[in-house]
Amino acid sequence: SQKIEQNSEALNIQEGKTATLTCNYTNYSPAYLQWYRQDPGRGPVFLLLIRENEKEKRKERLKVTFDTTLKQSLFHITASQPADSATYLCAPRGDNDMRFGAGTRLTVKP
Amino acid sequence: ETGVTQSPTHLIKTRGQQVTLRCSSQSGHNTVSWYQQALGQGPQFIFQYYREEENGRGNFPPRFSGLQFPNYSSELNVNALELDDSALYLCASSFGASGESYNEQFFGPGTRLTVL
Repeated sequence: SQKIEQNSEALNIQEGKTATLTCNYTNYSPAYLQWYRQDPGRGPVFLLLIRENEKEKRKERLKVTFDTTLKQSLFHITASQPADSATYLCAPRGDNDMRFGAGTRLTVKP
Repeated sequence: ETGVTQSPTHLIKTRGQQVTLRCSSQSGHNTVSWYQQALGQGPQFIFQYYREEENGRGNFPPRFSGLQFPNYSSELNVNALELDDSALYLCASSFGASGESYNEQFFGPGTRLTVL
Protein backbone atom coordinates (compact mmCIF):
# COMPACT_ATOMS: atom_id res chain seq x y z
CA SER A 1 0.00 0.00 0.00
CA GLN A 2 1.03 3.60 -0.49
CA LYS A 3 2.64 5.21 2.53
CA ILE A 4 4.08 8.56 3.53
CA GLU A 5 6.48 8.49 6.46
CA GLN A 6 8.07 11.45 8.16
CA ASN A 7 11.03 10.90 10.44
CA SER A 8 10.58 10.97 14.17
CA GLU A 9 7.50 12.55 15.58
CA ALA A 10 9.59 15.22 17.28
CA LEU A 11 12.92 16.90 16.63
CA ASN A 12 14.66 19.16 19.14
CA ILE A 13 17.58 21.35 18.11
CA GLN A 14 19.51 24.33 19.40
CA GLU A 15 18.99 27.79 17.96
CA GLY A 16 21.38 28.52 15.11
CA LYS A 17 21.72 24.88 14.04
CA THR A 18 20.32 23.35 10.87
CA ALA A 19 17.17 21.28 11.20
CA THR A 20 16.76 18.41 8.75
CA LEU A 21 13.38 16.73 8.35
CA THR A 22 12.81 13.62 6.26
CA CYS A 23 9.84 12.51 4.20
CA ASN A 24 9.79 9.04 2.67
CA TYR A 25 7.07 7.61 0.47
CA THR A 26 6.49 4.09 -0.82
CA ASN A 27 4.59 2.42 -3.63
CA TYR A 28 3.85 5.49 -5.69
CA SER A 29 5.60 8.12 -7.76
CA PRO A 30 4.49 11.67 -7.01
CA ALA A 31 5.21 14.30 -9.62
CA TYR A 32 5.39 17.03 -6.98
CA LEU A 33 6.12 17.34 -3.33
CA GLN A 34 4.96 20.13 -1.07
CA TRP A 35 5.99 21.14 2.42
CA TYR A 36 3.67 22.93 4.86
CA ARG A 37 4.08 24.38 8.31
CA GLN A 38 1.37 24.01 10.93
CA ASP A 39 1.20 25.83 14.25
CA PRO A 40 -0.97 24.49 17.10
CA GLY A 41 -4.67 25.12 16.51
CA ARG A 42 -4.08 26.57 13.05
CA GLY A 43 -4.39 25.32 9.50
CA PRO A 44 -1.24 24.36 7.56
CA VAL A 45 0.61 27.07 5.65
CA PHE A 46 2.29 26.31 2.32
CA LEU A 47 6.08 26.71 2.28
CA LEU A 48 7.61 25.14 -0.84
CA LEU A 49 6.83 23.01 -3.87
CA ILE A 50 9.42 20.91 -5.65
CA ARG A 51 8.86 19.05 -8.92
CA GLU A 52 10.16 15.58 -9.74
CA ASN A 53 12.62 17.01 -12.27
CA GLU A 54 14.07 19.42 -9.70
CA LYS A 55 16.74 18.18 -7.34
CA GLU A 56 16.74 21.12 -4.99
CA LYS A 57 14.72 24.23 -4.20
CA ARG A 58 15.58 27.11 -1.89
CA LYS A 59 13.59 29.88 -0.26
CA GLU A 60 15.37 32.14 2.21
CA ARG A 61 16.57 29.81 5.03
CA LEU A 62 14.64 26.83 3.66
CA LYS A 63 15.98 24.16 1.33
CA VAL A 64 14.15 21.15 -0.04
CA THR A 65 15.56 18.20 -1.97
CA PHE A 66 13.64 15.56 -3.89
CA ASP A 67 15.23 12.22 -4.72
CA THR A 68 12.83 10.15 -6.82
CA THR A 69 15.20 7.17 -6.77
CA LEU A 70 15.31 7.03 -2.99
CA LYS A 71 11.68 8.14 -2.82
CA GLN A 72 12.66 10.74 -0.30
CA SER A 73 12.54 14.47 0.32
CA LEU A 74 14.69 16.33 2.82
CA PHE A 75 13.61 19.66 4.28
CA HIS A 76 16.31 21.85 5.82
CA ILE A 77 16.00 24.99 7.92
CA THR A 78 19.34 26.73 8.32
CA ALA A 79 20.21 29.11 11.15
CA SER A 80 17.11 27.90 12.98
CA GLN A 81 15.23 30.22 15.32
CA PRO A 82 12.75 29.55 18.14
CA ALA A 83 10.07 31.01 15.83
CA ASP A 84 10.65 28.05 13.50
CA SER A 85 9.15 25.76 16.15
CA ALA A 86 6.10 24.13 14.58
CA THR A 87 4.95 20.90 12.93
CA TYR A 88 6.14 20.42 9.37
CA LEU A 89 4.07 18.35 6.97
CA CYS A 90 5.16 16.84 3.69
CA ALA A 91 2.68 16.21 0.89
CA PRO A 92 3.88 14.11 -2.06
CA ARG A 93 1.38 14.79 -4.82
CA GLY A 94 0.23 12.99 -7.95
CA ASP A 95 -2.95 13.53 -9.93
CA ASN A 96 -5.89 13.89 -7.56
CA ASP A 97 -3.62 12.81 -4.74
CA MET A 98 -4.14 15.10 -1.80
CA ARG A 99 -2.47 13.25 1.05
CA PHE A 100 -0.22 14.52 3.83
CA GLY A 101 2.33 12.86 6.04
CA ALA A 102 1.77 12.76 9.80
CA GLY A 103 4.23 15.60 10.34
CA THR A 104 7.37 16.20 12.38
CA ARG A 105 7.16 18.53 15.37
CA LEU A 106 10.24 20.73 15.47
CA THR A 107 11.30 22.55 18.63
CA VAL A 108 14.14 25.07 18.42
CA LYS A 109 15.56 25.89 21.84
CA PRO A 110 17.17 29.28 22.54
CA GLU B 1 -8.35 39.75 -0.77
CA THR B 2 -9.79 37.74 2.11
CA GLY B 3 -8.43 34.43 3.31
CA VAL B 4 -10.21 31.13 3.85
CA THR B 5 -12.76 31.26 6.64
CA GLN B 6 -14.59 28.43 8.37
CA SER B 7 -17.58 28.28 10.66
CA PRO B 8 -18.25 27.44 13.35
CA THR B 9 -14.96 27.50 15.23
CA HIS B 10 -16.01 24.84 17.71
CA LEU B 11 -18.93 22.46 17.80
CA ILE B 12 -20.15 19.81 20.20
CA LYS B 13 -22.54 17.11 19.00
CA THR B 14 -23.77 13.78 20.29
CA ARG B 15 -23.38 10.42 18.61
CA GLY B 16 -25.93 9.84 15.86
CA GLN B 17 -26.51 13.52 15.13
CA GLN B 18 -25.77 15.29 11.88
CA VAL B 19 -23.46 18.28 11.40
CA THR B 20 -22.80 20.85 8.67
CA LEU B 21 -19.51 22.72 8.51
CA ARG B 22 -18.99 25.73 6.27
CA CYS B 23 -16.06 27.13 4.36
CA SER B 24 -15.61 30.33 2.43
CA SER B 25 -12.85 30.06 -0.17
CA GLN B 26 -10.18 32.64 -0.81
CA SER B 27 -11.21 35.12 -3.49
CA GLY B 28 -10.50 33.82 -7.01
CA HIS B 29 -10.13 30.17 -6.00
CA ASN B 30 -12.22 27.53 -7.77
CA THR B 31 -11.24 24.40 -5.85
CA VAL B 32 -11.94 23.42 -2.27
CA SER B 33 -10.68 20.41 -0.36
CA TRP B 34 -11.77 19.11 3.02
CA TYR B 35 -9.54 17.32 5.50
CA GLN B 36 -10.00 15.62 8.86
CA GLN B 37 -7.14 15.98 11.31
CA ALA B 38 -7.07 13.92 14.48
CA LEU B 39 -4.84 15.03 17.32
CA GLY B 40 -1.19 14.36 16.57
CA GLN B 41 -1.90 13.21 13.01
CA GLY B 42 -1.55 14.76 9.60
CA PRO B 43 -4.62 15.97 7.70
CA GLN B 44 -6.57 13.11 6.08
CA PHE B 45 -8.10 13.95 2.72
CA ILE B 46 -11.90 13.65 2.67
CA PHE B 47 -12.81 15.04 -0.76
CA GLN B 48 -12.26 17.85 -3.19
CA TYR B 49 -14.69 19.96 -5.21
CA TYR B 50 -13.83 21.69 -8.44
CA ARG B 51 -16.42 24.00 -10.00
CA GLU B 52 -19.24 22.49 -7.93
CA GLU B 53 -18.41 18.86 -8.82
CA GLU B 54 -16.73 16.30 -6.58
CA ASN B 55 -13.28 15.86 -8.07
CA GLY B 56 -11.65 13.28 -5.84
CA ARG B 57 -12.36 11.43 -2.62
CA GLY B 58 -10.31 9.88 0.13
CA ASN B 59 -11.12 6.80 2.18
CA PHE B 60 -14.19 8.16 3.95
CA PRO B 61 -17.67 6.58 4.08
CA PRO B 62 -20.67 8.04 2.22
CA ARG B 63 -22.02 9.64 5.40
CA PHE B 64 -19.38 12.30 4.69
CA SER B 65 -20.79 14.43 1.90
CA GLY B 66 -20.24 17.89 0.55
CA LEU B 67 -21.35 20.70 -1.65
CA GLN B 68 -19.65 23.52 -3.48
CA PHE B 69 -21.71 26.56 -4.40
CA PRO B 70 -21.44 28.86 -7.45
CA ASN B 71 -19.45 31.36 -5.39
CA TYR B 72 -17.06 28.46 -4.59
CA SER B 73 -17.92 28.37 -0.90
CA SER B 74 -18.47 24.87 0.42
CA GLU B 75 -20.15 22.71 3.02
CA LEU B 76 -19.13 19.44 4.63
CA ASN B 77 -21.98 17.33 5.98
CA VAL B 78 -21.49 14.39 8.28
CA ASN B 79 -24.43 12.14 9.12
CA ALA B 80 -24.79 9.62 11.93
CA LEU B 81 -21.89 11.03 13.88
CA GLU B 82 -19.56 8.59 15.62
CA LEU B 83 -17.18 9.22 18.49
CA ASP B 84 -14.21 8.79 16.12
CA ASP B 85 -15.44 11.73 14.06
CA SER B 86 -14.10 14.03 16.77
CA ALA B 87 -11.31 15.97 15.06
CA LEU B 88 -10.27 19.27 13.52
CA TYR B 89 -11.90 19.70 10.12
CA LEU B 90 -9.88 21.79 7.71
CA CYS B 91 -10.96 23.40 4.51
CA ALA B 92 -8.40 24.42 1.88
CA SER B 93 -8.94 26.41 -1.28
CA SER B 94 -6.77 26.64 -4.35
CA PHE B 95 -6.91 27.70 -7.98
CA GLY B 96 -6.32 25.27 -10.78
CA ALA B 97 -7.70 22.86 -13.33
CA SER B 98 -9.47 19.60 -12.64
CA GLY B 99 -7.17 16.92 -11.23
CA GLU B 100 -4.32 19.26 -10.40
CA SER B 101 -3.10 18.38 -6.92
CA TYR B 102 0.09 20.40 -6.82
CA ASN B 103 -1.39 23.87 -6.52
CA GLU B 104 -0.68 25.72 -3.32
CA GLN B 105 -3.50 25.20 -0.89
CA PHE B 106 -4.67 27.93 1.45
CA PHE B 107 -6.11 26.53 4.64
CA GLY B 108 -8.73 27.92 6.95
CA PRO B 109 -8.34 27.82 10.73
CA GLY B 110 -10.50 24.72 11.02
CA THR B 111 -13.59 23.66 12.93
CA ARG B 112 -13.01 21.63 16.07
CA LEU B 113 -15.77 19.01 16.28
CA THR B 114 -16.33 17.05 19.46
CA VAL B 115 -18.72 14.10 19.41
CA LEU B 116 -19.95 12.91 22.80
